[in-house]
Amino acid sequence: EVQLVESGGGLVKPGGSLRLSCAASGFTFSNAWMSWVRQAPGKGLEWVGRIKSKTDGGTTDYAAPVKGRFTISRDDSKNTLYLQMNSLKTEDTAVYYCTTLMAGTNYYMDVWGKGTTVTVSS
Amino acid sequence: SSELTQDPAVSVALGQTVRITCQGDSLRSYYASWYQQKPGQAPVLVIYGKNNRPSGIPDRFSGSSSGNTASLTITGAQAEDEADYYCNSRDSSGNHRGVVFGGGTKLTVL
Repeated sequence: EVQLVESGGGLVKPGGSLRLSCAASGFTFSNAWMSWVRQAPGKGLEWVGRIKSKTDGGTTDYAAPVKGRFTISRDDSKNTLYLQMNSLKTEDTAVYYCTTLMAGTNYYMDVWGKGTTVTVSS
Repeated sequence: SSELTQDPAVSVALGQTVRITCQGDSLRSYYASWYQQKPGQAPVLVIYGKNNRPSGIPDRFSGSSSGNTASLTITGAQAEDEADYYCNSRDSSGNHRGVVFGGGTKLTVL
């Protein structure tokens, strides 16, 4: 069964840091492009960023609101995706979802984790 | 980045057909994909590409596109289709490496 399980969420003060993890199983993680998507309370979905497979260069891209503060990385030996979040702001409060990212000419996210909640508050 | 625009709310009578639309410049270059999200749950992909359904998605869900508008059609809506629906696509602004989401449409089945 294809599965993504996020962890690492919690309560953090503004300006603080947090690292989220996403454990993948049921597919060849090393070949997959992966992304993070977040959803603030009562709001819509917002793309955070993505990382290519190492075969395709392993590069990352980020949405403007998180660029320079968030870093996506992967450990293919552990089948795990990470999201390092620094300089957190109250507006980063959200459920964070890990997804696979199918990337041909078009992009779509075919597998989603259940999410992990990040709350940024003093 | 580009924007995708969706109607905030749509309703449909049980068993009738409903179309949910998504508009944006990115859709002139890329197909939209569509996600269903029920309360307290993660989104689920229901349509991708020109008009493709993942395994397990009922065939009452279909997608289409014209110009800068993509549509998700549910033919014979069921009570279990009541949910929020989001479109997204590859972002055609800048370096085309990002993703953009619509604001979501809340579907009510009456």
